[in-house]
Amino acid sequence: GENVEQHPSTLSVQEGDSAVIKCTYSDSASNYFPWYKQELGKGPQLIIDIRSNVGEKKDQRIAVTLNKTAKHFSLHITETQPEDSAVYFCAADDNTDKLIFGTGTRLQVFP
Amino acid sequence: DADVTQTPRNRITKTGKRIMLECSQTKGHDRMYWYRQDPGLGLRLIYYSFDVKDINKGEISDGYSVSRQAQAKFSLSLESAIPNQTALYFCATSDVAGTSTDTQYFGPGTRLTVL
Repeated sequence: GENVEQHPSTLSVQEGDSAVIKCTYSDSASNYFPWYKQELGKGPQLIIDIRSNVGEKKDQRIAVTLNKTAKHFSLHITETQPEDSAVYFCAADDNTDKLIFGTGTRLQVFP
Repeated sequence: DADVTQTPRNRITKTGKRIMLECSQTKGHDRMYWYRQDPGLGLRLIYYSFDVKDINKGEISDGYSVSRQAQAKFSLSLESAIPNQTALYFCATSDVAGTSTDTQYFGPGTRLTVL
């Protein structure tokens, strides 16, 4: 079955710097790759997703890239702000409409 | 009002007790899920239901059971709670998007502590 690995587990950046979180997946049949943000005391919330027919997608300061050949995808946050501090999860579908989640990255943005 | 609600938000119980966690949604989605979150382990699927008559085991279903009372309600039960079931539990819903996986919407979570 699908397995998703996520790195790093923690990431600290200075406000204004960029942050990159990377994930790899094992099932070449996967074709949907969402990213979720979990703020303290709340449930995860979708921030961006990408499907296998595109290589990159942007939404303001966040972007996701997908390399299907290498089976990895990444989240890029530019011009980080303190409110970007949260836990981020990547996920991949397992071809039966379920999501397999990575282990999460705790991002801290220092002013 | 929140689209996905979970009750209770916090619960402390003792080993061997039966516990029910409830989830309700107003999004009109057919698909509902129960996940468990542990530090360093991410979100792991316990059970899922693609419609009222459909119940499926997830990755870590041992020690848990579920009931889909209606399209809007999906409950998770721990028949005899044990300390290693101490965790944060999330309910989620999603719509059917043709043959494609779609966005999952999460509730606020239930923090369960088993002493």
